[in-house]
Amino acid sequence: NAGVTQTPKFRILKIGQSMTLQCTQDMNHNYMYWYRQDPGMGLKLIYYSVGAGITDKGEVPNGYNVSRSTTEDFPLRLELAAPSQTSVYFCASLTANTEAFFGQGTRLTVV
Amino acid sequence: GDSVTQMEGPVTLSEEAFLTINCTYTATGYPSLFWYVQYPGEGLQLLLKATKADDKGSNKGFEATYRKETTSFHLEKGSVQVSDSAVYFCALRPTGGSYIPTFGRGTSLIVHP
Repeated sequence: NAGVTQTPKFRILKIGQSMTLQCTQDMNHNYMYWYRQDPGMGLKLIYYSVGAGITDKGEVPNGYNVSRSTTEDFPLRLELAAPSQTSVYFCASLTANTEAFFGQGTRLTVV
Repeated sequence: GDSVTQMEGPVTLSEEAFLTINCTYTATGYPSLFWYVQYPGEGLQLLLKATKADDKGSNKGFEATYRKETTSFHLEKGSVQVSDSAVYFCALRPTGGSYIPTFGRGTSLIVHP
């Protein structure tokens, strides 16, 4: 059972470039989340989804977009990367009766 | 809105010392409470959980009791090991709606031999 898989693990972007962070889960979880983790700042929610076709903004959505075309996939799109988006990004999923399951994270640096 | 407050770190201990990491929460209703652990370079993983008042979660020698009267879920371990060095996150998950987990800022634990 793979759980939550994120790709890539590391990426360096130049200012103004775009990229998509991939997240896939094989547990048939309805709820999926994207967090960013800045040093000493805990986790901040970027976007979340309660099921295929349904997404909503979290605490820090500016500069990001998401889609949820299937239950399994929840990609995060960064448009026009900025240095402030340098962070570690985590995807997570859960059901109503479980804890959150996290991916290994994507470490992104914008230079 | 919901919030989780945990003690700031780093917490530095010698091996075999007693560990307490305080966690308090604010939430409506009866949330489920969790402790997650994050080892360097990895994602968060569940350490223990409690889903109702007075429940005690335990795993790998760690314990935490859901105290509704004090809205607390403090993490304890009687004798820490070097391998326990990690960042610990307290979290809650509401019992309805979008089930958005709320996390504390994390507490770094450093255990010296």
